[in-house]
Amino acid sequence: QKEVEQNSGPLSVPEGAIASLNCTYSDRGSQSFFWYRQYSGKSPELIMFIYSNGDKEDGRFTAQLNKASQYVSLLIRDSQPSDSATYLCALNLDSNYQLIWGAGTKLIIKP
Amino acid sequence: DVKVTQSSRYLVKRTGEKVFLECVQDMDHENMFWYRQDPGLGLRLIYFSYDVKMKEKGDIPEGYSVSREKKERFSLILESASTNQTSMYLCASNLQGPSFFGSGTRLTVV
Repeated sequence: QKEVEQNSGPLSVPEGAIASLNCTYSDRGSQSFFWYRQYSGKSPELIMFIYSNGDKEDGRFTAQLNKASQYVSLLIRDSQPSDSATYLCALNLDSNYQLIWGAGTKLIIKP
Repeated sequence: DVKVTQSSRYLVKRTGEKVFLECVQDMDHENMFWYRQDPGLGLRLIYFSYDVKMKEKGDIPEGYSVSREKKERFSLILESASTNQTSMYLCASNLQGPSFFGSGTRLTVV
């Protein structure tokens, strides 16, 4: 079983709608969770991180963490064509600085 | 802002060549990582280092070695390049929490 699971997509969302990206993980020792955006041919860039259960908002982005159910989500409100990218979920375990990566979800925002 | 710099954006090398990929970070990070990324396979960890002169194998170390002589620099070495090492190579660093990536090196071995 993979440690971090993401639906590979593509997930197609109309412009202006909410895009919802999900990530599940298997290790209950996971402490910190990160969402990265990766445009085609580019390197991943950090967009959000979350450590505590609940929601964390940053502009149009909201990260949601539920440790009991072992999932973390990323919501993108008012989706724009420029949000079209692959979104990578990552986590690190307690006392371990190495990130464990999901394979990513490809998001397509249709004008 | 954290800056992670990879020396080359694109490289073309011949089979059997020894290849050096360089990575420098300017944020005094303890930890540095080398990944390769291939379509459909996601990010795969090759090697990482948590201190100067320290190194640990990742998931796919075969055919690679690394060097960390200074804290800010982490080099990936392909001892004898092969066509199956054609890939995007990504360097990253962190202290605690998130990793920050360089712009990547797209290596083609012919």
